[in-house]
This record gives sequence, C-alpha cells and structure tokens, in this order.
Amino acid sequence: SQTIHQWPATLVQPVGSPLSLECTVEGTSNPNLYWYRQAAGRGLQLLFYSVGIGQISSEVPQNLSASRPQDRQFILSSKKLLLSDSGFYLCAWSMGLAGVGEQFFGPGTRLTVL
Amino acid sequence: QQPVQSPQAVILREGEDAVINCSSSKALYSVHWYRQKHGEAPVFLMILLKGGEQKGHEKISASFNEKKQQSSLYLTASQLSYSGTYFCGTELRKTSYDKVIFGPGTSLSVIP
Repeated sequence: SQTIHQWPATLVQPVGSPLSLECTVEGTSNPNLYWYRQAAGRGLQLLFYSVGIGQISSEVPQNLSASRPQDRQFILSSKKLLLSDSGFYLCAWSMGLAGVGEQFFGPGTRLTVL
Repeated sequence: QQPVQSPQAVILREGEDAVINCSSSKALYSVHWYRQKHGEAPVFLMILLKGGEQKGHEKISASFNEKKQQSSLYLTASQLSYSGTYFCGTELRKTSYDKVIFGPGTSLSVIP
C-alpha cells in the first residue's frame, strides 16, 4: 500500500532563517507531487507541483522553492523565511493517469515563523 | 481562478441536511471534494467528471452541472462525524500535467 511521509511535524523558525521540508512517498512509482500551504483558518493554496524528477511548476511568486531530486521525494525550501510563511504545509501525491485524480495528503508540517 | 464556495459556514443539528455549493468562472473538466477535520490533512470524498454525473458516498452525494460550471455537495441526515471543513477543487483540463485549485472551504459543524 502507498504511504506518504512528511517531516518535521512541527517547526518553529526565526525570521530570516532557511527552511527545508521533506516529503516522501512509498509504494508507488512516478507519482505527481504537490505542495500546498494553508494559513490559519484558510483554504489550500497550491504552491508547487511536479510530474517528474526535476520538473517543477510554480503557482505563486514567493520566496519558496521546490525540488524533486528523486522520483518519490519532494522538498520545499526557503533561503530566508518571512513571517508570512507561517502556516500548515501539506504534501500530496496522485497518480495523474487521466487528470489529476484522487490526491493523498501527508500529515503536514506546522511551521511558525517568529 | 479559485472556485467560489457557499455558504462559508453552516451549523446543523444531527439528522439535518445541508448543501454546499461550488462554482467556477471557467469551463471545468472535473470537480473534487475533500473534507478536512481540524488539525488533520484533507481526505478525499469524490471526483465528478464533466458529463453531469452524480455520485454518492454513504449519505454524502454530489452533482456536477458542467454547463453552469457548478457542483453541489449534499449531506443527508448529518452525523457528528461530518463536522469539518469541506473544500471543492476544480480541474480545467483532462491531463496528468494539470492541477487542482481549491476553494476557500465551507466550515460545517454538526451539533447534538
């Protein structure tokens, strides 16, 4: 069966510090991968998605970046965090065989920037 | 082009019914519905493809009117476990290289 992991679960970082969040998927090959951010009490904002290794599509201009160094690994990074980067970060995967299909979300990382 | 959801919030008593609406200004290939409980990840409910189909999931069903670019989620005889935030997501094209854009969510609270 497929599983998706995210770490860390929670993170408190000072403004201006770097960020690295990791997401890995097990039990499937060549998944589509997604990073979403959810501000407190708000909706799901798509940040990046990837249909293959090294292929990243960015949805909103920001100081975040994403990379996909391996088929089932998706990394979200920042060189310098802003207060506005606080939120709940969710990684998701789908098979994307015909359309996006069902997305399976990881447990999320709650990031607080102080 | 984020879809619009209505209502923003709704409070129900156990056993009551509710309808959550989702609309888009763009022609849609599909509409996705998810439920998120507080502090947890969203969980998939169903996908509706263009063609005007209606789907059901226990006492939760949905319809998709592609001409109006609208979808509705129907919750029948609500249970306490239905509480959470419901998100609709819209997909514009049938391609694996596409994405789903989610609406702002509808908060649903079921009380005894």
